[in-house]
Amino acid sequence: DGGITQSPKYLFRKEGQNVTLSCEQNLNHDAMYWYRQDPGQGLRLIYYSQIVNDFQKGDIAEGYSVSREKKESFPLTVTSAQKNPTAFYLCASSRDRFYEQYFGPGTRLTVT
Amino acid sequence: KNEVEQSPQNLTAQEGEFITINCSYSVGISALHWLQQHPGGGIVSLFMLSSGKKKHGRLIATINIQEKHSSLHITASHPRDSAVYICAVSEDTDKLIFGTGTRLQVFP
Repeated sequence: DGGITQSPKYLFRKEGQNVTLSCEQNLNHDAMYWYRQDPGQGLRLIYYSQIVNDFQKGDIAEGYSVSREKKESFPLTVTSAQKNPTAFYLCASSRDRFYEQYFGPGTRLTVT
Repeated sequence: KNEVEQSPQNLTAQEGEFITINCSYSVGISALHWLQQHPGGGIVSLFMLSSGKKKHGRLIATINIQEKHSSLHITASHPRDSAVYICAVSEDTDKLIFGTGTRLQVFP
């Protein structure tokens, strides 16, 4: 079954700790994206990558970092510099920017 | 003003009703997307369209490029259609711009 997996589904961390969210796809897609969703707001783009070993900042990249060492993997690190990290994080992939995006199930991060 | 506006924000319906969700946008686009988000949070892409009309089962999406407006219709609605429906547009860039969603509840 082709798809996108994100783990874990729920994640709890103490303030000041870095945390890494996993995103893996077996769709052979070149492009991958990380979004943040907050109540009452539309999805906002954190980082995206169109090809391995390359990525660009989205609209709200501050306090986040990513890597794209393999085509199928695009992990997101939420650093202690992110002032309000509690949110629902969604990963997506697509063949390229002209095609529809496929979304993972999301990770709900709570930082206290 | 948001670049992508959806209406209504919330919608309730009785099973079997015809439902329309609207999306207006203020930027030039290369495509418009309709997405469905279920209570668990996962998002599914329903349609990607740049002109005219697309149909999939009981779902129909239309777009009017001149008026910068799109509609998502659900015929013969069912409780399992209850979800948040999200409109998103892609400019001629790598990014999508998302609306805030329309929460639909269909009661039996």
